[in-house]
Amino acid sequence: GENVEQHPSTLSVQEGDSAVIKCTYSDSASNYFPWYKQELGKRPQLIIDIRSNVGEKKDQRIAVTLNKTAKHFSLHITETQPEDSAVYFCAAVGGSNYKLTFGKGTLLTVNP
Amino acid sequence: NAGVTQTPKFQVLKTGQSMTLQCAQDMNHEYMSWYRQDPGMGLRLIHYSVGAGITDQGEVPNGYNVSRSTTEDFPLRLLSAAPSQTSVYFCASSREAGRGYTFGSGTRLTVV
Repeated sequence: GENVEQHPSTLSVQEGDSAVIKCTYSDSASNYFPWYKQELGKRPQLIIDIRSNVGEKKDQRIAVTLNKTAKHFSLHITETQPEDSAVYFCAAVGGSNYKLTFGKGTLLTVNP
Repeated sequence: NAGVTQTPKFQVLKTGQSMTLQCAQDMNHEYMSWYRQDPGMGLRLIHYSVGAGITDQGEVPNGYNVSRSTTEDFPLRLLSAAPSQTSVYFCASSREAGRGYTFGSGTRLTVV
């Protein structure tokens, strides 16, 4: 089945800096890659996603890039703010089924 | 429109007891899943369903049963609770296969 690796497990940045979280996947047929943000004690919430026919997608300060050849995708957050502090999860949907497989998460801390 | 509703929010069980975690959605979503979240492990898929009457196993199905008699409801049954099932359980639903999942608020389960 699909395996999603996520790095780093923790990331600390200064307010205003950029943050990058990277993920790799194993199933070359995977075709959908969402990112979720989970604040402490809350439910995961979808923040951005990308499909396999697109290389990059942006939404204000958040962008996601996908390299299908290398089977990796990344989340980029620019001009970080303290409210960006949370755990971020990448995920992938396998090409042969409808299962959504998550990475183990990255704890992002934005220091004021 | 309540989204995805999970009950109960908190539960303490004794080893060997059984219980059902309830999940209901009012968005007419075909796809529903149950995940468990443990520290450092991300979100792991327990069972999922692609429509009423159709269920399948995820990554960690042992000790859990599901059924999908209606589009709206997807209960998760713990047959004989074990301390290893202490976790936070999330139900999620989506309109498309594996895409844009909306999560419920979670059930925090402790087995003593």
